[in-house]
Amino acid sequence: EIVLTQSPGTLSLSPGERATLSCRASQSVSSSYLAWYQQKPGQAPRLLIYGASSRATGIPDRFSGSGSGTDFSLTISRLEPEDFAVYYCQQYGSSPWTFGQGTKVEIK
Amino acid sequence: QVQLVQSGAEVKKPGASVKVSCKASGYTFTGYYLHWVRQAPGQGLEWMGRINPNSGGTNYAQNFQGRVTMTSDTSISTAYMELSRLRSDDTVVYYCARSGTTRGTYYFDSWGQGTLVTVSS
Repeated sequence: EIVLTQSPGTLSLSPGERATLSCRASQSVSSSYLAWYQQKPGQAPRLLIYGASSRATGIPDRFSGSGSGTDFSLTISRLEPEDFAVYYCQQYGSSPWTFGQGTKVEIK
Repeated sequence: QVQLVQSGAEVKKPGASVKVSCKASGYTFTGYYLHWVRQAPGQGLEWMGRINPNSGGTNYAQNFQGRVTMTSDTSISTAYMELSRLRSDDTVVYYCARSGTTRGTYYFDSWGQGTLVTVSS
């Protein structure tokens, strides 16, 4: 099973600032089958990024993903008020599909 | 538009079973996998398994083998997840989520609203 470790656990930033979230895998994620999701309180997760760097439909271009192998990142270029939430990475290259423990982006 | 609508909250006693439904609309039900993911309060996401509604084939996470059964009814575009021998730590929110059926498309592009199952004596 591939274990995903996200860092930091919490990121305290102000609107307009840049956020960089990290996701490290315990073994190589095949073909960069890595996705990022956003979750707000009381809501289901929402797909942001798939294939490590492809934005899902309707996702603003301030969200970008990068990485390969075992190291991946999600960048939010300029935080909007609606971006404060918890973010999860997920690998779907090998079963069982696994998630990271999440990074909370909170308002400073 | 794609929608996954889940059944309502449940309260069950330890040792009982629960069956959660996920009704799909807005797309061809048999053209996508349906997965079940659960989340304890304030915790992360845990994949439980998936079903291919076209074939009925399933793939369960090892943690749930022997306790979970996933089925689907293509006539009403609905998937089900039944969890047996419930324990207190099964008190979580259960989500259904859709993915493609080929390698490279197994990410979850649509999610149900979640169903809270509470296990309490």
